[in-house]
Amino acid sequence: GAVVSQHPSRVICKSGTSVKIECRSLDFQATTMFWYRQFPKQSLMLMATSNEGSKATYEQGVEKDKFLINHASLTLSTLTVTSAHPEDSSFYICSAGTGFEKLFFGSGTQLSVL
Amino acid sequence: AQTVTQSQPEMSVQEAETVTLSCTYDTSESDYYLFWYKQPPSRQMILVIRQEAYKQQNATENRFSVNFQKAAKSFSLKISDSQLGDAAMYFCAYRSTSAGTASKLTFGTGTRLQVTL
Repeated sequence: GAVVSQHPSRVICKSGTSVKIECRSLDFQATTMFWYRQFPKQSLMLMATSNEGSKATYEQGVEKDKFLINHASLTLSTLTVTSAHPEDSSFYICSAGTGFEKLFFGSGTQLSVL
Repeated sequence: AQTVTQSQPEMSVQEAETVTLSCTYDTSESDYYLFWYKQPPSRQMILVIRQEAYKQQNATENRFSVNFQKAAKSFSLKISDSQLGDAAMYFCAYRSTSAGTASKLTFGTGTRLQVTL
């Protein structure tokens, strides 16, 4: 079945630095990828929709300058958390699909900002 | 905007018994998909079952089945013969078809299922 690979699985960084998270569709092309954020014991909240070759669509309240999304190819989307602060610490998950009924999730990235 | 409500923060079931997780949603659309996802401690999201709104027949996947009531906007998940490995967080999710493959998933708040011996 289709697989979405997300890397890294865990990252610890200092406050003020930037962190890049990669999301790859391994055996299918994804014109659209989604980035979610999940706080402990809470649900997944959509941050943005990543569109290949065009600008990402951000959900209300998500700072586009802090969470930079690049979808440069049909198999790769990246999320860069710029100037990270402790409040950005969270679990980030990407997803991509091949149709309405099939959405696959990456394994997630736990970001800890010290 | 669509909303998904899971009114049971936690549920518990004995091994081999049956449990039903509730989910309701709000939408003005007629064509959409509904999903149940399982998130174990590894935090990997695993698709349990999906239902297409235009299909009246309830979806079934082995021990998992749904009760889809479109008019009532209800989508409950029944787990039969519960196993220890079923213990996880379960999320109900809605996906519109209006924006094509750019349509996002909207998740409920989740139900934590415990399975006891």
